[in-house]
Amino acid sequence: EAEVAQSPRYKITEKSQAVAFWCDPISGHATLYWYRQILGQGPELLVQFQDESVVDDSQLPKDRFSAERLKGVDSTLKIQPAELGDSAMYLCASSLGLAVGWGRTDTQYFGPGTRLTVL
Amino acid sequence: GNSVTQMEGPVTLSEEAFLTINCTYTATGYPSLFWYVQYPGEGLQLLLKATKADDKGSNKGFEATYRKETTSFHLEKGSVQVSDSAVYFCALLPSGYSTLTFGKGTMLLVSP
Repeated sequence: EAEVAQSPRYKITEKSQAVAFWCDPISGHATLYWYRQILGQGPELLVQFQDESVVDDSQLPKDRFSAERLKGVDSTLKIQPAELGDSAMYLCASSLGLAVGWGRTDTQYFGPGTRLTVL
Repeated sequence: GNSVTQMEGPVTLSEEAFLTINCTYTATGYPSLFWYVQYPGEGLQLLLKATKADDKGSNKGFEATYRKETTSFHLEKGSVQVSDSAVYFCALLPSGYSTLTFGKGTMLLVSP
């Protein structure tokens, strides 16, 4: 069964350092999502790609966060500089990129996540 | 706007007990509805889904029915196991091209 891959699984860094997370979506999935999940809460979307284009980055703190999906396949999320409040689980998900309507949906499949701890 | 409301946890049950986790939503049009499960330290796994009114999603003994008249998608299981202990998230995907809206999650703790 195809899965979304993420690395690293765990990252500990000091504040003001740069960190990067990698995601490889399920083959053939046009849409890729990065979410942030603070402990005890539901995931919140940071950025959404359709192929290599950003379609929604309204919740991405652009002063320190950046994301790219250069060839429309795998993706990298970067934080520079990291702050204490960035400690969270960073989840990547992918989907086929279909329109949602009556009887039709676009299921998102999640990777195992990267747990970031900023000291 | 779109929103999902879940019952607060933790829900604490004994093994073989009946489980209900309530989920209600607010959305226009014809959203799809999902339940995801998250085990400690892991990502989210799709548990079940429903794409239109009166659909019943089911998987691994869990069921949920898409009730448009009550805007609900309650998760049920007839007999829980210790291995079902996890956090359960209800989510909706609005019509068209859009993004998942999650509830806050409900922790389930099952004791032997």
